[in-house]
Amino acid sequence: EAQVTQNPRYLITVTGKKLTVTCSQNMNHEYMSWYRQDPGLGLRQIYYSMNVEVTDKGDVPEGYKVSRKEKRNFPLILESPSPNQTSLYFCASSPGLAGGHGTDTQYFGPGTRLTVL
Amino acid sequence: AQSVTQPDIHITVSEGASLELRCNYSYGATPYLFWYVQSPGQGLQLLLKYFSGDTLVQGIKGFEAEFKRSQSSFNLRKPSVHWSDAAEYFCAGDISSGSARQLTFGSGTQLTVLP
Repeated sequence: EAQVTQNPRYLITVTGKKLTVTCSQNMNHEYMSWYRQDPGLGLRQIYYSMNVEVTDKGDVPEGYKVSRKEKRNFPLILESPSPNQTSLYFCASSPGLAGGHGTDTQYFGPGTRLTVL
Repeated sequence: AQSVTQPDIHITVSEGASLELRCNYSYGATPYLFWYVQSPGQGLQLLLKYFSGDTLVQGIKGFEAEFKRSQSSFNLRKPSVHWSDAAEYFCAGDISSGSARQLTFGSGTQLTVLP
């Protein structure tokens, strides 16, 4: 089954304790992205990657790191989490650029609910 | 700044009634536009998308959207709402410039369907 998986689905941690949220897709997609969803703000893009070893900042990258060492995986790293990073996180992947220009349909993972105390 | 705006935070309709959810964008060129739906506790699912061509786009679950360049809008419509349509709806657009390829989401519209 074609899918985007995220782990863990739920995580409660404390301020300053490094954590990694994994994301994996089995659709051979080039484009992957991380979003955070907060009430009233919709989804905001944290980082995206257009291919292996190519990553770029989204709208809210502060406090996050990513890496794209292989096509299928795109982990999100919080080196020193803070309470303002409490949120619902979504990973998404896309086959690439539609018509060579714009972002194509994104396929979303089930989400990771993170609480930082 | 370039943006995607959904003016309605919450809409309530009766089952069987028609529905229109509003979406406006600010961008100089024609953006790539999407509507996604999020059911409670779920991820997001694509309803439909507009890249170019015919300005009336058909999607899944009986939804359609019309791109109107003159109004910078991409409103979502459904002629008859079902109770299962209750969810949060997000409009999104690739309004990137240069080599960046970012998807910008509106803040969402929560749809409640009354029996």
